[in-house]
Amino acid sequence: DGGITQSPKYLFRKEGQNVTLSCEQNLNHDAMYWYRQDPGQGLRLIYYSQIVNDFQKGDIAEGYSVSREKKESFPLTVTSAQKNPTAFYLCASSIFDYLGNNEQFFGPGTRLTVL
Amino acid sequence: DAKTTQPNSMESNEEEPVHLPCNHSTISGTDYIHWYRQLPSQGPEYVIHGLTSNVNNRMASLAIAEDRKSSTLILHRATLRDAAVYYCILRSSNTNAGKSTFGDGTTLTVKP
Repeated sequence: DGGITQSPKYLFRKEGQNVTLSCEQNLNHDAMYWYRQDPGQGLRLIYYSQIVNDFQKGDIAEGYSVSREKKESFPLTVTSAQKNPTAFYLCASSIFDYLGNNEQFFGPGTRLTVL
Repeated sequence: DAKTTQPNSMESNEEEPVHLPCNHSTISGTDYIHWYRQLPSQGPEYVIHGLTSNVNNRMASLAIAEDRKSSTLILHRATLRDAAVYYCILRSSNTNAGKSTFGDGTTLTVKP
């Protein structure tokens, strides 16, 4: 079955540590996205990538980094510079979306808790 | 970026129609209107999208105002499984087409 996988589902880390969240898709989508969601709030865009080896900052990129070395993978690193990293992180993908006319497919999310 | 405004919450009875409103008064001519819904602790699920004309699919209908400054998601017969947070977002046709702004959405409660 095609889809997006995120691992792990729950992640705990100590304050001051970097952590990398995995996102893999087998939908052959060019575009991939990372969102952050805090309790009771909507999604905020962290980074997005429209093509391999290229990515753009979203609205809240500070304290995060990404890479896009392969079409199917878009890992997100939460660095120690991110002041409030505890949140629900969602990865999404879509076909190349110049017009905004395509749906995004979301993964199940990773809940990160900083202890 | 153009933003959307939705009521915080709405209630419906099971098997009755539900009309979820969304205001987007600063929408640009090339913005697509998308709707997603999210169950607790899950990723959002695509519902429907449109540009100017009303749209129908197996899940819902989307009614877009003539001036495009508002839209309404219509669930024809609400079921308990439709209880979720519904997001109305705009996706833009420009060099930053990947950007989508999700507001806080509308929490739909369906009563049996």
